[in-house]
Amino acid sequence: NAGVTQTPKFQVLKTGQSMTLQCAQDMNHNSMYWYRQDPGMGLRLIYYSASEGTTDKGEVPNGYNVSRLNKREFSLRLESAAPSQTSVYFCASRLDRDYGYTFGSGTRLTVV
Amino acid sequence: ILNVEQSPQSLHVQEGDSTNFTCSFPSSNFYALHWYRWETAKSPEALFVMTLNGDEKKKGRISATLNTKEGYSYLYIKGSQPEDSATYLCAFNSGGGADGLTFGKGTHLIIQP
Repeated sequence: NAGVTQTPKFQVLKTGQSMTLQCAQDMNHNSMYWYRQDPGMGLRLIYYSASEGTTDKGEVPNGYNVSRLNKREFSLRLESAAPSQTSVYFCASRLDRDYGYTFGSGTRLTVV
Repeated sequence: ILNVEQSPQSLHVQEGDSTNFTCSFPSSNFYALHWYRWETAKSPEALFVMTLNGDEKKKGRISATLNTKEGYSYLYIKGSQPEDSATYLCAFNSGGGADGLTFGKGTHLIIQP
């Protein structure tokens, strides 16, 4: 049982480049989330998908887009990367809001 | 933006001692309060999901209490062991239509042998 799989684990981008972070879960969870972790800050919600076919903005959505491709997969896209988007990104999923999150292993992104 | 505060920010405890730390959260529009353990180089792992005022949950030597009326939760660790060293996160789940947890910045616990 793989749980939540994030790819890539590490990435370096130049300012203005685009990329997509992939997240897939094999637990038949309904809800999926993208967070970023910065030094001195708590995990901050970027976007979420409460169920297949829906997506909503979280606390810090600017500069990002998401796609809930199917029930398993939830991707995060940076269209034009900026140094302020240097961060560690975590994907998480849960069955529904009565349950805790299962987190992926994270993606460390550096924008130079 | 919801305010979830954790204290202390960091804590050094001798092996074998017991300890506790606090999470404060909005007392209105409450749905659930979560606790996670985050070990270095790993991902956060869920410890407890608490929904009812007065809830007490326990997992081995770790327990948590919840007061939704005043907006706080305590996490207790009894007889600390080196493997308890980690950052402990609390997260608030509000009611209503919006989903997603709002996390505190965590309490970094170091157990000294």
